[in-house]
Amino acid sequence: DTGVSQDPRHKITKRGQNVTFRCDPISEHNRLYWYRQTLGQGPEFLTYFQNEAQLEKSRLLSDRFSAERPKGSFSTLEIQRTEQGDSAMYLCASSGRVAPNEKLFFGSGTQLSVL
Amino acid sequence: AQTVTQSQPEMSVQEAETVTLSCTYDTSESDYYLFWYKQPPSRQMILVIRQEAYKQQNATENRFSVNFQKAAKSFSLKISDSQLGDAAMYFCAYRSPIQGAQKLVFGQGTRLTINP
Repeated sequence: DTGVSQDPRHKITKRGQNVTFRCDPISEHNRLYWYRQTLGQGPEFLTYFQNEAQLEKSRLLSDRFSAERPKGSFSTLEIQRTEQGDSAMYLCASSGRVAPNEKLFFGSGTQLSVL
Repeated sequence: AQTVTQSQPEMSVQEAETVTLSCTYDTSESDYYLFWYKQPPSRQMILVIRQEAYKQQNATENRFSVNFQKAAKSFSLKISDSQLGDAAMYFCAYRSPIQGAQKLVFGQGTRLTINP
């Protein structure tokens, strides 16, 4: 169990640029989640995959955001035409059990700064 | 929609003492799950303890225990024998049992400082 891995750890970009983050879940975990955490707040749910299927998306996920999990393993989160309001930490989590015993394992996040 | 409120932005405690972090939530559901997560400076969220709403018995995990008051919609975390490694942000979280609704709703967090 190597844990949930996220890359990059930090990303600085200029407003209007596109950015892509990667998440590698714990192997054999079929559920993968993306959360966003702004300074001084708790994480907010963005989207959820079961295998390669994206089953739920938050209204926070505007049209500029897209997430994929093409082979049911790693996932990418892309933000197009970044805005300063996108500055936040983007957390990925995975799980392998069905509720109610589901336990989420979180990565260390990607900190995005939009200048 | 469910909401989670942590009214203590910061708390501090002397090493080896006991501290209680508060959490209240709002929901119309009768069955749900509640969690406390710890986020140290490494930023990785770590599950501390969980409670199923249908269970009357308060959950305990070593030095960590909860006081779950369902009628009051209160879910506080007690840390006994505080250690320097307990210093972190602590988040209370709610999850609906509805199938497919796998998202957690987090509170704003409480920053816990341990004084040596």
